[in-house]
Amino acid sequence: NAGVTQTPKFRILKIGQSMTLQCTQDMNHNYMYWYRQDPGMGLKLIYYSVGAGITDKGEVPNGYNVSRSTTEDFPLRLELAAPSQTSVYFCASSWGGWKNTEAFFGQGTRLTVV
Amino acid sequence: DQQVKQNSPSLSVQEGRISILNCDYTNSMFDYFLWYKKYPAEGPTFLISISSIKDKNEDGRFTVFLNKSAKHLSLHIVPSQPGDSAVYFCAASEDTNAGKSTFGDGTTLTVKP
Repeated sequence: NAGVTQTPKFRILKIGQSMTLQCTQDMNHNYMYWYRQDPGMGLKLIYYSVGAGITDKGEVPNGYNVSRSTTEDFPLRLELAAPSQTSVYFCASSWGGWKNTEAFFGQGTRLTVV
Repeated sequence: DQQVKQNSPSLSVQEGRISILNCDYTNSMFDYFLWYKKYPAEGPTFLISISSIKDKNEDGRFTVFLNKSAKHLSLHIVPSQPGDSAVYFCAASEDTNAGKSTFGDGTTLTVKP
């Protein structure tokens, strides 16, 4: 099983550029999440989804958009990259919510905005 | 306002001894708590969890203790092994929103041989 796969692993963006971080899972999980981790900090929830077609904002959604057209995929879109979005981004999935099941994380995407 | 706090950024222990990692929370609505471990250049992996209806949960060398009145939980690792060296994150979630969780900033554990 591949688990949760994120692409790309690394990316350098110029200010104002756009990009999509890809996330796919092969575990048929209902819940999917996007987090960012800044240096020395914990994980901050950007967006999450409880199933295909349903998404909701987390703690730090500004500057990002998501969609969930299939159970497997949960892409994260950055429309106008800013230096404040330099971070490591983690996608995760779980069968149920945080109370009921273990969440599995991808290996992360390290994004630098210059 | 940080709702989940791990006040020790780092901890160093000798192999074979006990490691105790601490976590404090402020939101009384949190009712489920988790610990995740993270190695460099990898995603976090689930370690152990505890519901607010319990005060202790054990899984092999790992035990989590919850003190609801003090809004404090701790992770005990006994005995500590060099392979336990990693960043440990405490996280909490509320019953009313299963999709959200709040993470602490992490504690870097170093276990010396």
